[in-house]
Amino acid sequence: QSALTQPPSASGTPGQRVTISCSGTSANIGDNSVDWYLQLPGTAPRLLIYSTNRRPSGVPDRFSGSKSGTSASLAISGLRSEDEAEYYCATWDDSLGGHVFGTATKVTVL
Amino acid sequence: VQLVESGGGLVQSGRSLRLSCTASGFILADYALHWVRQAPGKGLEWVSTISWNSDFIAYADFVRGRVTSSRDNAKNSLYLELNSLRPEDTAFYYCAKGTDNYGIGTLDYWGPGTQVTVSS
Repeated sequence: QSALTQPPSASGTPGQRVTISCSGTSANIGDNSVDWYLQLPGTAPRLLIYSTNRRPSGVPDRFSGSKSGTSASLAISGLRSEDEAEYYCATWDDSLGGHVFGTATKVTVL
Repeated sequence: VQLVESGGGLVQSGRSLRLSCTASGFILADYALHWVRQAPGKGLEWVSTISWNSDFIAYADFVRGRVTSSRDNAKNSLYLELNSLRPEDTAFYYCAKGTDNYGIGTLDYWGPGTQVTVSS
């Protein structure tokens, strides 16, 4: 099952803006909305962004999502120490007939 | 909304295991459900999706033919039968609730997971 491609790591100082990319194909990101999940060490993933750019209740507006063609992005503005985590993009793949996840990006706050 | 997995454990290669996921706080019959796994130190891997009425069930290539996903809406439960287990199946297995009833939408709530360890 092919995964979506994310950079393995991203970092920034407190207050900075960090952007994570997620690259796919016309069968997945190109044709479906994208979700983003956050996973803290030793815990289950939790939904951060859904339908490409919508935030669930309780997620601060420092987190935003976007999509263009076969790529999506997650932006974290006003970076905070508690944002240190693994971030995954995900979507449905029409060709595979299943969900695909990104390869994960570890965000470090310097 | 709460999802709790159970049934994980240590099992020998080639044996079987049945995972369960018990849900509460929402009407299970209205939503698709999913299984996602995470091997030690690795990323998330989608395993299976089952629609609200079990008419649509999808599996990842790496488990197709060895895994059966099922649900019992009356018991608020989801199941994953893992057969012919291999050491590479060692992972944390999460169940997740979908936002739609077919299964192509967002996974909005996740359980804490259950550990499956397969020894060779």
